[in-house]
Amino acid sequence: GESVGLHLPTLSVQEGDNSIINCAYSNSASDYFIWYKQESGKGPQFIIDIRSNMDKRQGQRVTVLLNKTVKHLSLQIAATQPGDSAVYFCAEENTGNQFYFGTGTSLTVIP
Amino acid sequence: KAGVTQTPRYLIKTRGQQVTLSCSPISGHRSVSWYQQTPGQGLQFLFEYFSETQRNKGNFPGRFSGRQFSNSRSEMNVSTLELGDSALYLCASSLDLTFGETQYFGPGTRLLVL
Repeated sequence: GESVGLHLPTLSVQEGDNSIINCAYSNSASDYFIWYKQESGKGPQFIIDIRSNMDKRQGQRVTVLLNKTVKHLSLQIAATQPGDSAVYFCAEENTGNQFYFGTGTSLTVIP
Repeated sequence: KAGVTQTPRYLIKTRGQQVTLSCSPISGHRSVSWYQQTPGQGLQFLFEYFSETQRNKGNFPGRFSGRQFSNSRSEMNVSTLELGDSALYLCASSLDLTFGETQYFGPGTRLLVL
C-alpha cells in the first residue's frame, strides 16, 4: 500500500535560518508531489509542487528537491520567518489519481 | 477568484445522528475531493468526484457518502455518527486530477461528535 512518511514530527529553527523538511514516499510510480502548509484553524495551503521528470523546483523562498532514486522529497525554506510556523505536509499522487499525505511536520520558528 | 468554501465551519452532533457537509469548489474546477483529518491519522482520503460521478474512493465505511451536483458543488454525508468521526473534514478542488492538477483546499468543517 501507499505510505508517505516524514522523518521528523517537529522542527524548531531560529528566525533567519534555513529550514529543511524531509519526506519519504514508497510508490515509485508516483509522478506528482505537492507541499502544503497548514496553519492552525485553516485548511492546507499549496506551497510548491514538482513532477517526477524534475529534480528541483524553486519558488519564492522555497525549494523542493526530489530524489527518485531513494524516493525522498524535501522542502527548503530560506530565511525562515515567524509566519512560516505551521505544519507542513507532503503529498504524492499516484497513477490512481489519489493523493496520499504524510502525517506532517510541525515547524516552529524561534524569534 | 474565490477559493474553496465549506459550510458549516463547525458542527456538534451526538452519536447516532447524521450530518451533511457542503463544499463549493473554485469556479471552473470540476474535481472535488474530501479528506478527513485527525491528529492521529493525518489527512485521509475519503472520495473524489468529477462531473457528478464518484471516481475514487478511500478506505472508509459505507456510512460515509457523497455526491456532486451539476454546478460541481459537493456534499458529503455521514450517517450513524460515532465518536471517532470527530475530525476536521476538508474539501479540495482541482481542474481535473486525472491530469495532475493541483488541489486547493477549503478551510474545513470541524465536526465534534458527543
